[in-house]
Amino acid sequence: DTAVSQTPKYLVTQMGNDKSIKCEQNLGHDTMYWYKQDSKKFLKIMFSYNNKELIINETVPNRFSPKSPDKAHLNLHINSLELGDSAVYFCASSFGRQGTEAFFGQGTRLTVV
Amino acid sequence: AQSVTQLGSHVSVSEGALVLLRCNYSSSVPPYLFWYVQYPNQGLQLLLKYTSAATLVKGINGFEAEFKKSETSFHLTKPSAHMSDAAEYFCAVSDLRDDKIIFGKGTRLHILP
Repeated sequence: DTAVSQTPKYLVTQMGNDKSIKCEQNLGHDTMYWYKQDSKKFLKIMFSYNNKELIINETVPNRFSPKSPDKAHLNLHINSLELGDSAVYFCASSFGRQGTEAFFGQGTRLTVV
Repeated sequence: AQSVTQLGSHVSVSEGALVLLRCNYSSSVPPYLFWYVQYPNQGLQLLLKYTSAATLVKGINGFEAEFKKSETSFHLTKPSAHMSDAAEYFCAVSDLRDDKIIFGKGTRLHILP
């Protein structure tokens, strides 16, 4: 049983397209995150949700829109994809707020061509 | 604001030798500190965490880290490196005020035969 699962694992798409990445956790956590890892392996938080409420939005372009239908799911929709969006996107979850350890999914490698 | 600095983007050690990966943090309040490991094409896995209990923290796979407040450090060590330890290692920080984990830039550990 995968604790934090993301789909798809790989995503190749053309510039200008719209795409979504889905994330689900079965750990009973109430906080979920999206992180972006660039080609130099640098990890940067994008969004954080607690019980479906947006807690953190780290100056991410508004082409990126997270949606949390319930506390076990956090999806990421990206409009008008750009070359610079190519990266690995990680979903994570944790129990409670205030920086308890996060459990990560396997990542979605997005390539924009 | 919190931050984490990992010294050395690449570290090479011989199999059987001591592993030492350095991490210094900045936080104005008592921090939570973490070490994560990322194997190629995989998500991040928690190695160990410090949450103000014992200053010497033992983790999985024989790794441990010592919290030194006076040095604002949380270095990761393993007495004897194994080939399977080759991976990217991330130090991370959070605290009671925050809803996110801040990651360092990572250190790639190479194990030489």
